[in-house]
Amino acid sequence: GNSVTQMEGPVTLSEEAFLTINCTYTATGYPSLFWYVQYPGEGLQLLLKATKADDKGSNKGFEATYRKETTSFHLEKGSVQVSDSAVYFCALTRSEKLVFGKGTKLTVNP
Amino acid sequence: DARVTQTPRHKVTEMGQEVTMRCQPILGHNTVFWYRQTMMQGLELLAYFRNRAPLDDSGMPKDRFSAEMPDATLATLKIQPSEPRDSAVYFCASGSSPGGGAQETQYFGPGTRLLVL
Repeated sequence: GNSVTQMEGPVTLSEEAFLTINCTYTATGYPSLFWYVQYPGEGLQLLLKATKADDKGSNKGFEATYRKETTSFHLEKGSVQVSDSAVYFCALTRSEKLVFGKGTKLTVNP
Repeated sequence: DARVTQTPRHKVTEMGQEVTMRCQPILGHNTVFWYRQTMMQGLELLAYFRNRAPLDDSGMPKDRFSAEMPDATLATLKIQPSEPRDSAVYFCASGSSPGGGAQETQYFGPGTRLLVL
């Protein structure tokens, strides 16, 4: 079946540190891949997406590259800010349905 | 700034009571999704609609849950009777997909936080 595995949190970083959140997937065919972010008390917001192999999604300094050979879509940011503190969800879509990972909570300290 | 709205934002009820959650999708979006979020299970798709027609409700407990779209601007999710294990955050999301497809972006509402005592 289709599934997403992302690194367990929580992740705690200092401001300006480098961020990586690992995400791997299992799917038949070639799904589209997404990262969503959830700020406290809010719904999920699309952060970035990639629809085919080798595509790079980017937004707000975050990047992720669709790697078919390793079935991965790791999220990276070169310098995190306190305002990036949130829960990050990796997801894939097959047949219009989103399948989410468990989420990774990120806390950035000043 | 177009947004998905959900009401109520919080609901506390007693076991056995009926719960109705409402969602107003973004104007012009033709696809509506209902998700449930819990600490144990994470985010689960309960049901979704396109052009007001239910396409998939396989994630929804059929005996107590029901989802409808009375019109294009309103989606409802009902639980009757409610049970403590239904306590969760329920999200509605909407999207626009003229022909369906994997690239559709879903826009989420703020959620309804439900506590069943």
